[in-house]
Order: sequence, then C-alpha cells, then structure tokens
Amino acid sequence: ETGVTQSPTHLIKTRGQQVTLRCSSQSGHNTVSWYQQALGQGPQFIFQYYREEENGRGNFPPRFSGLQFPNYSSELNVNALELDDSALYLCASSLRPRLARADTQYFGPGTRLTVL
Amino acid sequence: DAKTTQPNSMESNEEEPVHLPCNHSTISGTDYIHWYRQLPSQGPEYVIHGLTSNVNNRMASLAIAEDRKSSTLILHRATLRDAAVYYCILRDGVDAGGTSYGKLTFGQGTILTVHP
Repeated sequence: ETGVTQSPTHLIKTRGQQVTLRCSSQSGHNTVSWYQQALGQGPQFIFQYYREEENGRGNFPPRFSGLQFPNYSSELNVNALELDDSALYLCASSLRPRLARADTQYFGPGTRLTVL
Repeated sequence: DAKTTQPNSMESNEEEPVHLPCNHSTISGTDYIHWYRQLPSQGPEYVIHGLTSNVNNRMASLAIAEDRKSSTLILHRATLRDAAVYYCILRDGVDAGGTSYGKLTFGQGTILTVHP
C-alpha cells in the first residue's frame, strides 16, 4: 500500500510569483484535503476535494485554488505569493465514509514553501 | 468546530505510561474525539478516535469521560519515538450540498518530551 506522497519537498519562490504543489493520494482514497502549517502552529485547513470538486473551504483567499484529477491526485495552486505564505503545505487523503466525522486522514510529509 | 484545551507541554520517561489530557466542555452529542500526533519534520499521523466508549488500538488507548467533556490519550509505555506534538480534535462533519465533509481543526497541541 503506497502512502501519501507530495512534491516537491522544498521550494523557494519570490513575492508575486505563482506556485503549484502536488499530492498523490494513498491507494484507494478518493478525498484529498490541503492544510497550511506556519512555523510553531497547528495545521490550518485550506480546502477539501471529493470527486474532482471542491467540497469545503477554510478561511483562505481565492488565490489559493486546487484541482483533483480522476486518479484522485491533487494540486494546490497559490497565485500572487506573499511573504506570509511561507509555510509547510500538507496534503491528506481519506476514504470518505458515510459519516465524515468518523473518517481518518492520512497525511503526506509536506512541501516546505519559502517566499522571499 | 467545538474547541479543545490541552496543556502546552508534558514530559515523560521512557517505558513509563503517559496520560495526555484534553478538555472539550462544549462537545456536542455527535462530535467524535480524534487524536493525531506530529513527529518532528513529518506530517500529522492518526492515532485513535472515539465517540463515547473507551477505545484501544495498537498505538494507544482513549479514555472518554462519562459526560464526554474531557478525554485522555494513554500511551502505555512511552518510547523515544513517541516524542511529538499531540493534537486532540473534535470532528463535526458539515453537510454541504447533500454530502458531508470533515475538516480537521488543529489547536496548538501538547508537546510531549520523552526522556531516556
């Protein structure tokens, strides 16, 4: 069973640029969630994708967008990068049960984004 | 999401039991209690979850108070590998367009230090 993988591991961008981060779900999982984790803080929910559609979003501006593909892999896109976007970006996959309250999410190792 | 309160940090000695407390006085009847942990330089890892009854798995035990306003994660014999940030999370799954999704709302967590 392959776990959640993310690429790249590290990335350095400058303010105003755009970035795309990638995530491959754990085998058999159909739901992907993205989180942002600033240094010393807990992860913050960005959004979740299910059946290739955004299904739930946290308090993040529209310049954070995503995609989910038919094979359930996913991308996170961030436009017009700001210094505060520097963080660890985590992807988590899950198999959506009838009760979302009971599901467990499996996290990848994250992508460390630095914005200069 | 209902809020949880955890101590900022705890310490333990290797091979001793560890009891990590979590208060959630505003928990609703349908909220599941989840625990995740995050080892240094890794994504969060699912530990255990429960609704009303105490739960055991190979990693830990979850003891839930009768009134459900608090819970305790129990590591029966701490190892150095258990040094991590432990997050207590209430999952409430929100219905959106007929489907439900569940985001994880992370707090600050408890930093567990294990001494050899």
